[in-house]
Amino acid sequence: DAGVTQSPTHLIKTRGQHVTLRCSPISGHKSVSWYQQVLGQGPQFIFQYYEKEERGRGNFPDRFSARQFPNYSSELNVNALLLGDSALYLCASSSGLAGGQNIQYFGAGTRLSVL
Amino acid sequence: GDSVTQMEGPVTLSEEAFLTINCTYTATGYPSLFWYVQYPGEGLQLLLKATKADDKGSNKGFEATYRKETTSFHLEKGSVQVSDSAVYFCALTSSGSARQLTFGSGTQLTVLP
Repeated sequence: DAGVTQSPTHLIKTRGQHVTLRCSPISGHKSVSWYQQVLGQGPQFIFQYYEKEERGRGNFPDRFSARQFPNYSSELNVNALLLGDSALYLCASSSGLAGGQNIQYFGAGTRLSVL
Repeated sequence: GDSVTQMEGPVTLSEEAFLTINCTYTATGYPSLFWYVQYPGEGLQLLLKATKADDKGSNKGFEATYRKETTSFHLEKGSVQVSDSAVYFCALTSSGSARQLTFGSGTQLTVLP
């Protein structure tokens, strides 16, 4: 079975532009989470979606938004890009069950560079 | 709020040396604890987990024990290999938000032949 797939792999944008990142979860997984990993740091939680509804949001500005589609794939949108948005954006999928069995499986990420 | 503190890196070891990467946490309730590994150019891979106090997670020769009394989850391996070179992240999900992972800052491990 395919793992979590993300596209594109790399992206270069300029300040003020908009970007859309895409994620397809593992087959059968209904939950998708997004994380931002700045170089040299641990990933920071942005959003979680389960059954197409937002179930959690991290401390990120409103320029960041996301959605989940009926097939459980997801998009992360970032408006009015800033230099500080340059990072590796990771998508993780899980079955959505609560508790310690809710293991999140990560994709390889999309590396966004804002110039 | 929840937080994870990892030992400062980077760590450089010779092949077959003993590895310890320290991890302590702050969380409400009874969190689940994880170690993830990130190889160059790749996403995160789950290495091991523990869901309750005194549980020991193990995988590929790595071990970590959930110590509630010291709020710690230190990663150990008895004999590292060059192929273990990667960045290691300690993480938790708290009982109040089981689907959100809180990560430490990561520890870069380099193993020399």
